[in-house]
Amino acid sequence: RKEVEQDPGPFNVPEGATVAFNCTYSNSASQSFFWYRQDCRKEPKLLMSVYSSGNEDGRFTAQLNRASQYISLLIRDSKLSDSATYLCVVTPSAGNMLTFGGGTRLMVKP
Amino acid sequence: DAGVTQSPTHLIKTRGQHVTLRCSPISGHKSVSWYQQVLGQGPQFIFQYYEKEERGRGNFPDRFSARQFPNYSSELNVNALLLGDSALYLCASSLRGQRLSYTFGSGTRLTVV
Repeated sequence: RKEVEQDPGPFNVPEGATVAFNCTYSNSASQSFFWYRQDCRKEPKLLMSVYSSGNEDGRFTAQLNRASQYISLLIRDSKLSDSATYLCVVTPSAGNMLTFGGGTRLMVKP
Repeated sequence: DAGVTQSPTHLIKTRGQHVTLRCSPISGHKSVSWYQQVLGQGPQFIFQYYEKEERGRGNFPDRFSARQFPNYSSELNVNALLLGDSALYLCASSLRGQRLSYTFGSGTRLTVV
């Protein structure tokens, strides 16, 4: 079983739609959680950290459920520019390495 | 300020050859990490260096090695290249190895033929 699992997609949605991505992780002792965005053939960039209390950044909302070992990302009012691969990232209880999921590809269409 | 710079940007090597990839961190950053991203997958952790010492190693064979220099730049070396080593190699720098401050370079795309 992979340490971080994501539905690879692609998710094809029209502009303005709301889309949600989920991610599960296997290590219950994991400490920190993030969503990264990666455009085609580019490097990953931090989108947002994820906290147990949930957090919001504009159109993006992230949630963490430690009991279910589940992380989510909600994108409201999708824009064409949101088209990218979204990577769920977890860090272990020790060390600072990032453990990435395989990514979920989002395609927003006009 | 310059971001994380990696060189070369693209590279084609033959099976069995050796390759050296280079990374210069953001000025003031003392930690460098290396990741391998095979097409269609998420990045996988290879090494982390902080203050010139190895602080973490992922599940990669001994053909992979790295080092960090006094100016905090880093090299990743891969010996006896295999076709499966074809990937995007990403370098990330941070101030003190703190996960919240990682910045990735644009990567070196290695193709092994």
